[in-house]
Amino acid sequence: QVQLQESGPGLVKPSETLSLTCTVSSGSISSSTYFWGWVRQPPGKGLEWIGSIYYSGSAYYNPSLRSRVTISVDTSKKQFSLKLNSVTAADTAVYYCARQVTTDGFDVWGQGTKVSVSS
Amino acid sequence: EIVMTQSPATLSVSPGERATLSCRASQSVSSNLAWYQQKPGQAPRLLIYGASTRATGIPARFSGSGSGTEFTLTISSLQSEDFAVYYCQQYNNWPPLYTFGQGTKLEIK
Repeated sequence: QVQLQESGPGLVKPSETLSLTCTVSSGSISSSTYFWGWVRQPPGKGLEWIGSIYYSGSAYYNPSLRSRVTISVDTSKKQFSLKLNSVTAADTAVYYCARQVTTDGFDVWGQGTKVSVSS
Repeated sequence: EIVMTQSPATLSVSPGERATLSCRASQSVSSNLAWYQQKPGQAPRLLIYGASTRATGIPARFSGSGSGTEFTLTISSLQSEDFAVYYCQQYNNWPPLYTFGQGTKLEIK
């Protein structure tokens, strides 16, 4: 059973870079069947897709965040990562990593990690 | 960008009754539509993909229908554990540009 686990700082200062890593366990990250994605949820609000990456490194981003986001993958470590730069308080959210079957929805999710942006 | 609109924002239903949730896309997404359930403090859980296919382990009381721009999630006989927030998501675009609806909160009447 594939499991995903987010890791990274829970507090980031305004204007700095938010960095999170998702580790994939009990399964392969190098499958052509899956995208690996990031989704966030501000407090009390709905879900927002940030971006997704294929094991080959091809990444796709939400246009509203594209100028600030980089998603990368390290297949040797079975990890994929999110970097969001120039953060503001509006980036405070629970950040989830998730697996998406390329033709279906996000079927496996991490537990989520809360990131607050504050000085 | 495809905008997903869910209705109603809040739905009050008694246990044992049927719940019907709606999701509308601003343009056709074919059958590339998923439904998720989210309980407080938990990650979303995939219920339905391909508009009508139940994900692994999802009870038969959950069913999805629709295609194009109009979709419905039906819960045939509400159990206590079904009271949660439900989101629809389209994944029709290539390259990927996924969008979620704003959610429907299903509460106990």
